Amino acid sequence: SQQGEEDPQALSIQEGENATMNCSYKTSINNLQWYRQNSGRGLVHLILIRSNEREKHSGRLRVTLDTSKKSSSLLITASRAADTASYFCGGGGYQKVTFGTGTKLQVIP
Amino acid sequence: DAGITQSPRHKVTETGTPVTLRCHQTENHRYMYWYRQDPGHGLRLIHYSYGVKDTDKGEVSDGYSVSRSKTEDFLLTLESATSSQTSVYFCAISEARDEKLFFGSGTQLSVL
Repeated sequence: SQQGEEDPQALSIQEGENATMNCSYKTSINNLQWYRQNSGRGLVHLILIRSNEREKHSGRLRVTLDTSKKSSSLLITASRAADTASYFCGGGGYQKVTFGTGTKLQVIP
Repeated sequence: DAGITQSPRHKVTETGTPVTLRCHQTENHRYMYWYRQDPGHGLRLIHYSYGVKDTDKGEVSDGYSVSRSKTEDFLLTLESATSSQTSVYFCAISEARDEKLFFGSGTQLSVL
C-alpha cells in the first residue's frame, strides 16, 4: 500500500493566488519530502522536513508537518504559471522514500 | 538530471518476453531505487539498493528482479513481461538513506 495520499487530487487557481496541498501518510517516517513533476519529466525535489520539525520555508514554499496527525501541507505563495505541475509528497524512512498519488496543480495566467 | 541516465527511454515489447531496464549514475551515490508511475497510483516503489549487491523489495516487487554489481549501475528485469507492467519507470538515487532523491528522465515501457 502507498505511504501517502495527497488532497486535493487536482487544483486550479489564478496566477498570484496561493496554492495549498495536503498529504497524509500511514507509517512512521524520519522525514517528509515534497517533489514537483512537470509533464513527461522526472520528479524534482522541492523541500524536506524532518520528523522533529514543524515548519520549514524555502522561497515561496512553506511546508508544515504534524506527526501526531500524520499529515503535512505544502503552501505555494504568489503562484505563477510556471508552477503548473503535479506535486507529490514522499515519506522517508527505513532506507526508502514512498510516495502518495499526487496533486495536479494548474495555475491560470 | 543529476548524472542519472536511464536506458532505453522508450521500449515496446510483447507479452512473455524478458526486458531489462538500466539505470546508470555518475554521482557515486549509495542508494538507488526503481519506481513505476501509473495514472491514479502515483509512484510506487519496486525495488531498491543500499549498496553493491544489497537490494530489497518495495511495494510492488512481484514480477520484477534487480541487480547491482557496480555502484553506478542498477538493472531492473522483467523476467516475462505482462500487459500490467506497461508503465513509466523511474530510477532515483540518493546520497544517504531516506534523504533527497534525484530522478532520471524515465523509461516508457509498453507491453503488448
